[in-house]
Order: sequence, then structure tokens, then C-alpha cells
Amino acid sequence: GENVEQHPSTLSVQEGDSAVIKCTYSDSASNYFPWYKQELGKRPQLIIDIRSNVGEKKDQRIAVTLNKTAKHFSLHITETQPEDSAVYFCAAGTGNQFYFGTGTSLTVIP
Amino acid sequence: SAVISQKPSRDICQRGTSLTIQCQVDSQVTMMFWYRQQPGQSLTLIATANQGSEATYESGFVIDKFPISRPNLTFSTLTVSNMSPEDSSIYLCSVEGELAGPTDTQYFGPGTRLTVL
Repeated sequence: GENVEQHPSTLSVQEGDSAVIKCTYSDSASNYFPWYKQELGKRPQLIIDIRSNVGEKKDQRIAVTLNKTAKHFSLHITETQPEDSAVYFCAAGTGNQFYFGTGTSLTVIP
Repeated sequence: SAVISQKPSRDICQRGTSLTIQCQVDSQVTMMFWYRQQPGQSLTLIATANQGSEATYESGFVIDKFPISRPNLTFSTLTVSNMSPEDSSIYLCSVEGELAGPTDTQYFGPGTRLTVL
């Protein structure tokens, strides 16, 4: 099955700085890569996703890049704000079944 | 996106008993999934709930322990059977898109926090 690794496990940044979270996957057949944000005590919320036919996708302050050859993808958050503080999960898979990374706890320091 | 509800939102149970968790969606969805999230951990896929047929279980999860029903396109249940304290976790259902919407994208229910004493 798919194995997704995620780094770092914790990340602290100053407000206004950028944050980058990286994931690698093992199954070359994976073609869908979503990112979820989970605030304490709440459900995971999809924030951005990318499919294997695209190398980069951006939505306001959030961007995701995908390198299929190297089997890794990254989440970039620019101009971080305190409300960006949460746990972020990457996932990788095929069709409508995917597997999650171990999560990154992001803290944005005001 | 679809509105997803789960019942109960939380429960405290005695070891050896069983709990059935319900997941209801306000629109028809193609796929429904069940995940477990232990405290401070990631999400682990338990099984895919298939409408009209048996669920597809991931490695490490078996039907006798986690029986699943999917009687229609808007509802599913997960039963945690013969519970032990190790089953204490948050159980989440997710749904994949909507019949007329984007494929692949999964949306999560609010979760059921289970504590087994």
C-alpha cells in the first residue's frame, strides 16, 4: 500500500513569515494529493489539492507543488497569520482512496 | 460541499461492549469511508463502505471487530465491537464528492470521540 511521510512534525514561524511542509509518497500510481488543516477538536478541512497532471497550484496565500519524478509534494503558506496555527496533514492516493501523512503542528507566533 | 453529521458525538463505554456510530449525509455520495484518529496522531483508514456490498477493509482491520453497513447513498454505520481501552479514539466518516460533483475529494464528518474504560 501507499506510505506517506511528512516533515517536519512541528514548525514554529513568526507571523508574516512563510511555512513549508514536505511530504513524500511511495506508490508511483498515486495521482491525487490533498492537504487538510485540522484545528484542535475539529474535523480535518480540505485546504488545497493537486492532481498528478499539474505541477503547481495556488490559492491566495497557499500553494502546493508536486514533483512526480521524485515522489514528493509540498505545502507553502505565505504571510502566515495566527489563525494558520493548526495541524496540517498531507495525503496521497489513487481514485477515491488515499492515505495520510503523520501531520505537522504549525504554530504562528504573533 | 455536503453536510455530514455523526452520532453520537462522544461516548464513554465499558470494555466488552459494542458501539454503533452513524454517519448521515445530506446528499447522495458515491463513496463513504471510516477513519480512526488516535489522540495526537494521524488519520488511519479503517475501511471503505460500499453501497449494497461488503465493506473493503484495510490491513489490520477486520469485519468482526468493525462491522460496517451502507444501506443507501446517504448513510453508513460503523460498529466497534467487544471494545477495549485501546479502541479509545476519534472515529470519523468521510464522503467522496457528490454524484454530480468533483471526484477524489473527501470531506469529513465531525467525528465521534470514544472512550473505553
